[in-house]
Amino acid sequence: DQQVKQNSPSLSVQEGRISILNCDYTNSMFDYFLWYKKYPAEGPTFLISISSIKDKNEDGRFTVFLNKSAKHLSLHIVPSQPGDSAVYFCAASAIGYSTLTFGKGTMLLVSP
Amino acid sequence: KAGVTQTPRYLIKTRGQQVTLSCSPISGHRSVSWYQQTPGQGLQFLFEYFSETQRNKGNFPGRFSGRQFSNSRSEMNVSTLELGDSALYLCASSLDGTNEQFFGPGTRLTVL
Repeated sequence: DQQVKQNSPSLSVQEGRISILNCDYTNSMFDYFLWYKKYPAEGPTFLISISSIKDKNEDGRFTVFLNKSAKHLSLHIVPSQPGDSAVYFCAASAIGYSTLTFGKGTMLLVSP
Repeated sequence: KAGVTQTPRYLIKTRGQQVTLSCSPISGHRSVSWYQQTPGQGLQFLFEYFSETQRNKGNFPGRFSGRQFSNSRSEMNVSTLELGDSALYLCASSLDGTNEQFFGPGTRLTVL
């Protein structure tokens, strides 16, 4: 059973517009959420995280929103740039555990 | 500060052989986790080591094993290789008690 789901395998956006990547989870014990970006032939790179005590966290062009009642989080990238084209993974960890559970990823393509 | 390093970067083996992959964490990081990434499956957690002890284990067969040394460097071993073991194996390190994990570039294992 997949505990972290990214239902969109891919997303295409024009440069300068907003990219919204979505993630759903089923485990109520998850209390910390992270987004990673991955380019081909490289390991994932940490982007931004959010604790379950918050509903929003911003870092430059990246904002993560958390809706605990819906068990849903989203990553907003504004404005999107061609260099943002990569696979984005949503990950979650449960209370007291450092183990991360990942979604299958969403491939973002930002066209000029 | 140097990042997580993994050796070798690429490996080709045949069915039935065994393989050992190596990971050197970021200096000061005591937790090392291993993940398997296959097409369409995202990152699947293998195991986590902390202070030379396995702290968490994913749902993989006993053919997959690992260890951690006193300098926090870690190795993972896969015995009796199967075609389905072909994957990118990623190592990630983190400080004790933090969820933010930093990934190495991975080892691409191909089993023929």
